[in-house]
Amino acid sequence: RKEVEQDPGPFNVPEGATVAFNCTYSNSASQSFFWYRQDCRKEPKLLMSVYSSGNEDGRFTAQLNRASQYISLLIRDSKLSDSATYLCVVNMVRGSTLGRLYFGRGTQLTVWP
Amino acid sequence: NAGVTQTPKFRILKIGQSMTLQCTQDMNHNYMYWYRQDPGMGLKLIYYSVGAGITDKGEVPNGYNVSRSTTEDFPLRLELAAPSQTSVYFCASRPTSGIAYNEQFFGPGTRLTVL
Repeated sequence: RKEVEQDPGPFNVPEGATVAFNCTYSNSASQSFFWYRQDCRKEPKLLMSVYSSGNEDGRFTAQLNRASQYISLLIRDSKLSDSATYLCVVNMVRGSTLGRLYFGRGTQLTVWP
Repeated sequence: NAGVTQTPKFRILKIGQSMTLQCTQDMNHNYMYWYRQDPGMGLKLIYYSVGAGITDKGEVPNGYNVSRSTTEDFPLRLELAAPSQTSVYFCASRPTSGIAYNEQFFGPGTRLTVL
């Protein structure tokens, strides 16, 4: 089983739509959770961290369910500029290894006018 | 700050050739990482370093070597290039304290093709 699994999509939505991405992780000892955004042929960039209480940043809402080992990202009022691949990322500490990030394959989003 | 810089941006190698991918960061981060990203796949960790003189293997280290003689530089060496090493290579760094703790900052990537 992969450490981080997410639906690769693609998701194709019209402008103004609400879209949700899901992600599951395998290691219950995982410590930190993130959503990164990656534009075509560019490097990943941090979109937002995910906290246990859930957190919101403008049109973006991230939620974490530790019991189910599940992370979600909700995008409201989608914009054309939201078109990108969204990477679910988990920081795991294993044994003596300092925290490493494990990346999902990414979910591709295309917002059309 | 320039952040994380990588050179070259693109490279085509023949099977069996060797090369070094350069990575430099000017943020004084102790932690640095090398990843590869194959088409449609997530990033896989090749090697990482927690400070000058300290390196360790990630998930896919075979065929690669690294060194970390300074805080700023973390080069990745391919000794005998193989077609399976065709990929996009990302270098990243991370602070160990402060607000951005746990956020990895990525370089723009090196696109490598081995023919």
